Amino acid sequence: GQSLEQPSEVTAVEGAIVQINCTYQTSGFYGLSWYQQHDGGAPTFLSYNALDGLEETGRFSSFLSRSDSYGYLLLQELQMKDSASYFCAVQPDSGAGSYQLTFGKGTKLSVIP
Amino acid sequence: DSGVTQTPKHLITATGQRVTLRCSPRSGDLSVYWYQQSLDQGLQFLIQYYNGEERAKGNILERFSAQQFPDLHSELNLSSLELGDSALYFCASSHDYTSYNEQFFGPGTRLTVL
Repeated sequence: GQSLEQPSEVTAVEGAIVQINCTYQTSGFYGLSWYQQHDGGAPTFLSYNALDGLEETGRFSSFLSRSDSYGYLLLQELQMKDSASYFCAVQPDSGAGSYQLTFGKGTKLSVIP
Repeated sequence: DSGVTQTPKHLITATGQRVTLRCSPRSGDLSVYWYQQSLDQGLQFLIQYYNGEERAKGNILERFSAQQFPDLHSELNLSSLELGDSALYFCASSHDYTSYNEQFFGPGTRLTVL
């Protein structure tokens, strides 16, 4: 099976940088994704890492190290609107050709002035 | 707006009842995934359909079933409802051409079982 661990809550100051870590245990997976979910809203895709290394998309970056079973999401120049829950998710390689997502429990980020 | 639609937005029903949740994927997406989100279990994958065929099953109860129709919309049927089935149910669609595919989530259906 798969399990993903991430901190339950993080608080950071507007304009600062915050890193949300994700450690996982899985037998095999296609890639690690990050999704953002505002209260009452739907998850929205932020980033995807299939290979080790850093992927940058605007203010957001994501990193994967398969050898360390570890990834993180880096948010720069934090804005109040970044207050949301952030989920890491893996796509288990089940051999069925499915790209289903197994999610972590989510990290609630609070951005304070 | 993700382009994925779900109806109804809210559903309140009683234990033992049966409900149907509907999802229309983004234009061009062949794959529909269903997820359940609850406070204690988080976001959990239930089932996936690809171009009308079931492709993968996750933690879906036997009381739950789904199907995808020729026009690619999908329905999730929940029967013999229990209090613990109260949750937010999302469907997501994607192209699934490669593993590098973002899933586009609908707004969700909030199910309350009384």
